[in-house]
Amino acid sequence: GQNIDQPTEMTATEGAIVQINCTYQTSGFNGLFWYQQHAGEAPTFLSYNVLDGLEEKGRFSSFLSRSKGYSYLLLKELQMKDSASYLCAVTGGGNKLTFGTGTQLKVEL
Amino acid sequence: GAVVSQHPSWVICKSGTSVKIECRSLDFQATTMFWYRQFPKQSLMLMATSNEGSKATYEQGVEKDKFLINHASLTLSTLTVTSAHPEDSSFYICSAEGGREKLHEQYFGPGTRLTVT
Repeated sequence: GQNIDQPTEMTATEGAIVQINCTYQTSGFNGLFWYQQHAGEAPTFLSYNVLDGLEEKGRFSSFLSRSKGYSYLLLKELQMKDSASYLCAVTGGGNKLTFGTGTQLKVEL
Repeated sequence: GAVVSQHPSWVICKSGTSVKIECRSLDFQATTMFWYRQFPKQSLMLMATSNEGSKATYEQGVEKDKFLINHASLTLSTLTVTSAHPEDSSFYICSAEGGREKLHEQYFGPGTRLTVT
């Protein structure tokens, strides 16, 4: 089976750094994705990790530890527009995505 | 590149009627498309995997006779919600695999909000 855990909500200040954690227990693992989803919209791709380590892409970075079943998404220089839900998703066999429950991030002034 | 469209973006229908939702990959061919459902404040739940030219593979608990999926071409998959009921009201999202160079990426459509009255 698949079990993916994320915090439900987080609040951070504009300009700050926030780390959103994701732990997973899955029967198969091909890679881990992070998506951003604004209310009423479809998810947009942020990052993909298949090997251990840190992937940096502008203000967003994603880390993966396969041995620990753990990932995090790091958002730097937070902006108000970063307020959204952040979804951790794991692919097992056949490229099927299993999503976590999502973390609702609120960025405040 | 890698744009996926859905039509309609929203639909309201009466209980007992059927609704068809289209998912198109606009600038790439998608052998595999996925259909998800998302209830308010919940995450995406995979309903089925749609492969071009073959029958869809449904996830456990999803009624294949109620949610008919057709993937007749490499750029189009359709989901028909038959005999819709208020509990089927949800946000339906499709995604398509990103072609030969980006097999690991799924590109999502903008979603279709279905309201059954």
